[in-house]
Amino acid sequence: KAGVTQTPRYLIKTRGQQVTLSCSPISGHRSVSWYQQTPGQGLQFLFEYFSETQRNKGNFPGRFSGRQFSNSRSEMNVSTLELGDSALYLCASSLEGTSGEQYFGPGTRLTVT
Amino acid sequence: GEDVEQSLFLSVREGDSSVINCTYTDSSSTYLYWYKQEPGAGLQLLTYIFSNMDMKQDQRLTVLLNKKDKHLSLRIADTQTGDSAIYFCAEKGPNAGNMLTFGGGTRLMVKP
Repeated sequence: KAGVTQTPRYLIKTRGQQVTLSCSPISGHRSVSWYQQTPGQGLQFLFEYFSETQRNKGNFPGRFSGRQFSNSRSEMNVSTLELGDSALYLCASSLEGTSGEQYFGPGTRLTVT
Repeated sequence: GEDVEQSLFLSVREGDSSVINCTYTDSSSTYLYWYKQEPGAGLQLLTYIFSNMDMKQDQRLTVLLNKKDKHLSLRIADTQTGDSAIYFCAEKGPNAGNMLTFGGGTRLMVKP
């Protein structure tokens, strides 16, 4: 089975712009979660989608949003980018009704200048 | 809120055993996980343990869980240079969907 894929892998944006990141889960996985990883704050949960509905949301401002499509692919969007949004954004997928093992993609490295 | 703590750094010699420790605060955690991250890569799931288990062994990996003390450890037997990476423990609560709370990570350095 193919793993979790994320596109793009690297992105450079300017403050004030917006960005959309994409995640394709492992085939058959309907839950997709997003995490932000920074040296200062570590790994922080952004949100989780299951069956096109947001099931959980972390403590991030409303500039961070996401959605999930009927094929379980997910996108996250960050509007009005700030320098502090520079991070590795990781997507994870999992099967429902299991021990909740999450399988991570390689991440999208976002740099805001 | 829930908190997960790990020591920052561990250095071992090749062939020795490594023990990475983790403490957590959420007594209602259902599953606890260990992930490995190599430079420039995502997180690789190594193993996990259900909260009603004390121990789980998977080849070179042994997970010990002390639920009373909320302490989790990962033992890597016969540590190799390829095991050098950052190791994260994570916990999942009972009503959290698939949301994980991660520790800050332990950097394992294996010296030849």
